[in-house]
Amino acid sequence: DTGVSQNPRHKITKRGQNVTFRCDPISEHNRLYWYRQTLGQGPEFLTYFQNEAQLEKSRLLSDRFSAERPKGSFSTLEIQRTEQGDSAMYLCASSFGLATDTQYFGPGTRLTVL
Amino acid sequence: EDKVVQSPLSLVVHEGDTVTLNCSYEVTNFRSLLWYKQEKKAPTFLFMLTSSGIEKKSGRLSSILDKKELSSILNITATQTGDSAIYLCAVDSDQAGTALIFGKGTTLSVSS
Repeated sequence: DTGVSQNPRHKITKRGQNVTFRCDPISEHNRLYWYRQTLGQGPEFLTYFQNEAQLEKSRLLSDRFSAERPKGSFSTLEIQRTEQGDSAMYLCASSFGLATDTQYFGPGTRLTVL
Repeated sequence: EDKVVQSPLSLVVHEGDTVTLNCSYEVTNFRSLLWYKQEKKAPTFLFMLTSSGIEKKSGRLSSILDKKELSSILNITATQTGDSAIYLCAVDSDQAGTALIFGKGTTLSVSS
């Protein structure tokens, strides 16, 4: 399968714990995006990388959230001191990086904070 | 503030019906509009529209953009139960950087 992959697919954690998610983009894509989606809402942009550089961060990305893409390939999204409001589907997408290219989404990681 | 509004929010039809989903937008420096289909997993790409009045088709699905009216429609003809999903509209604008601005989606249910 050469699509975008994400791990884990599901994560249940207790409030206050730290969690880390991983995204592996399509191999030739140099842009990688993180989104968050809650029930009944469309995905909301969190952050974006061009190769290993994090170029944009949304207002939604509080200080407890950090994302990395150390070698310009896979990316990790860490949430520290999780809160119940962090419960959501976390989606990763990748694209070639052209001006009008298409973002292809991974299956997402469903986070539940108890 | 940039926004994307989809209507209706939900729709129930019978197999074989034709449906039209609407998307309107207010964004600064529009670049493109995209339609995605989301079932129980991540969104899958359907269409990208950049030019007004040019219809894009894929099987029973088609879509067209009207830049004058700041809107797009997604048509599905001869619906099947497998078309049941959430259909998301997203807009790419210079103002949003490289992020997509999504609407809340239209939930389509097709009954047999």
